[in-house]
Amino acid sequence: DQQVKQNSPSLSVQEGRISILNCDYTNSMFDYFLWYKKYPAEGPTFLISISSIKDKNEDGRFTVFLNKSAKHLSLHIVPSQPGDSAVYFCAASPVDTDKLIFGTGTRLQVFP
Amino acid sequence: GAVVSQHPSRVICKSGTSVKIECRSLDFQATTMFWYRQFPKQSLMLMATSNEGSKATYEQGVEKDKFLINHASLTLSTLTVTSAHPEDSSFYICSGDRVGGYTFGSGTRLTVV
Repeated sequence: DQQVKQNSPSLSVQEGRISILNCDYTNSMFDYFLWYKKYPAEGPTFLISISSIKDKNEDGRFTVFLNKSAKHLSLHIVPSQPGDSAVYFCAASPVDTDKLIFGTGTRLQVFP
Repeated sequence: GAVVSQHPSRVICKSGTSVKIECRSLDFQATTMFWYRQFPKQSLMLMATSNEGSKATYEQGVEKDKFLINHASLTLSTLTVTSAHPEDSSFYICSGDRVGGYTFGSGTRLTVV
């Protein structure tokens, strides 16, 4: 049973526009959420995180939104750049554990 | 959906001992398994890539004699940290490569005392 789901395997966005990557979860015990970015042949790199006590966290072009009632989080990238083309993973951590539950990833392609 | 079961989730061991971490793909065949280590700033470092039935490919700087990887079947890959030292204390996570994407295990917190 997948507790963290990224239902869109791929997304294509024009440069300069907004990219919105979505993630849904089922476990109400998750209290910390993270987004990672992965280039080919490299490990995932941490991008941004959000605690369950917040509903928004912003870092430069990246903003993560958390809707606890819908068990949904999203990553907004604006403006999108070609260098943002990568696979993006969301991950969630249950309260009081070290576990990280990852989604299956969304491949973002930003074209000129 | 595709699941990778990783065990143990947490282990404490004495310095000098060895620890084995297992990753099993439960409903798909993972031809390739990636092993990562998480550093304090939360980026995952790729340690090695293992392919079923062949030797693992280690990233630069990763000691292959210390971090033994075995991928004997399409559903099981293991990482053994040999002669563990406190500096090996970290969070280790595996990821199985499958058609359509990657599936991660839930990680193992290793503490060497």
